[in-house]
Amino acid sequence: DIQMTQSPSTLSASVGDRVTITCRASQSISSWLAWYQQKPGKAPKLLIFKSSRLESGVPSRFSGNGSGTEFTLTISSLQPDDFATYHCQQYNGDSTTFGQGTKLEIK
Amino acid sequence: EVQLVESGGGLVKPGGSLRLSCAASRFTFSTYAMNWVRQAPGTGLEWVSSISSSSGYINYADSVKGRFTISRDNAKNSLYLQMNNLRADDTAVYYCARGSLYSTTLFDLWGQGTLVAVSS
Repeated sequence: DIQMTQSPSTLSASVGDRVTITCRASQSISSWLAWYQQKPGKAPKLLIFKSSRLESGVPSRFSGNGSGTEFTLTISSLQPDDFATYHCQQYNGDSTTFGQGTKLEIK
Repeated sequence: EVQLVESGGGLVKPGGSLRLSCAASRFTFSTYAMNWVRQAPGTGLEWVSSISSSSGYINYADSVKGRFTISRDNAKNSLYLQMNNLRADDTAVYYCARGSLYSTTLFDLWGQGTLVAVSS
């Protein structure tokens, strides 16, 4: 199985900050990388797919980048609604794996 | 509103069985692949199983292969997960998730989840 590793595990930031979360794959996954946002007690929500394509309705302050084994999710100016846990996911092939998650906290 | 609603979770003893259901509404269920994804308490997400739109292709995670069975009834807009020989490490919130039109395992719509607890 392809292993996905996110860093950091926890990130403290303030409203208005620019933040970046990194996700690394144990082998190349081309651009088959998605990002999800999850709030406590809720289901995940798809934000970005194919590394950099924004899902419909997702604010433009979210952006994704990368290919091969290294990927990033950037939020350009944090809003109060953005404090949540973010998961990366590779979907290259029949099976799929997620990173362990990054919790974005208010500083 | 387009939605998925899971049901059937609960407390079960190790070795027991449970059947989860997922009801889809407001979209053409029969044209989408469907999946189950689970999340153990305080941990990350784990894909469990996928089924193609016509049930012709089914896939399982190694951790559940031989114990869980995914199925669907397109006439009833419903997805199922039969879970047998349950173990403590199957304890999790189980989500029903729709595969997007781009990829079976890209999840563009999720249910609210149903909790399965395996304990004696």
